[in-house]
Amino acid sequence: DIQMTQSPSSLSASVGDRVTITCRASQGISNYLAWYQQKPGKVPNLLIYGVSTLHSGVPSRFSGSGSGTDFTLTINSLQPEDVATYYCQKYNSAPFTFGPGTKVDIK
Amino acid sequence: QVQLVESGGGVVQPGRSLRLSCAASGFTFSNFAIHWVRQAPGKGLEWVAIISYDGLYKYYADSVKGRFTISRDNSKNTLYLQMDNLRAEDSAVYTCAKVLGIRTSWLAFDIWGQGTVVTVSS
Repeated sequence: DIQMTQSPSSLSASVGDRVTITCRASQGISNYLAWYQQKPGKVPNLLIYGVSTLHSGVPSRFSGSGSGTDFTLTINSLQPEDVATYYCQKYNSAPFTFGPGTKVDIK
Repeated sequence: QVQLVESGGGVVQPGRSLRLSCAASGFTFSNFAIHWVRQAPGKGLEWVAIISYDGLYKYYADSVKGRFTISRDNSKNTLYLQMDNLRAEDSAVYTCAKVLGIRTSWLAFDIWGQGTVVTVSS
């Protein structure tokens, strides 16, 4: 099975900072990569699918990039409401593995 | 509005069974593949199982294969997860999630339920 890793596992940044989270697949997954945001006590919300397509209603400060095995989620100008754990996920085949998550908070 | 509502969670002894339900509304249930995802307290997301829109294809995580069975009743707009031979490590919040588009399984998850809590303990 393909394994998904994320780095860092946590980060602390200031409001207005640019934040970058990396996700790596152990094998190529083409563009079948999604990012989810999970705020404390809430269910996950889809942010990005197909590596870089912003889901409806997601602020434009979020963006995704990458291909094959290496992917990035970028938050331009971090806002207080972005405090959450972010997960990447592969969906090209079963198992639909999630990364371990990256916890983002405000410095 | 588009909604998924889980039920059936509870406290159960190791080795016993439990059946979860996920009631869908606000969309044409029979057109969408649906997943079960779980999250143990303080842990990350773990994918559990998927069933295709027509119920013909089912896939499971290795951790539940042979013990859990996913099914759906498109006439009742309801998804199920039959969980047998439960273990302590199955304790988690179980959430159903639909895929983004119709009649294919290989899509991201756009709508999630609020989850139902399963606790396996003696």
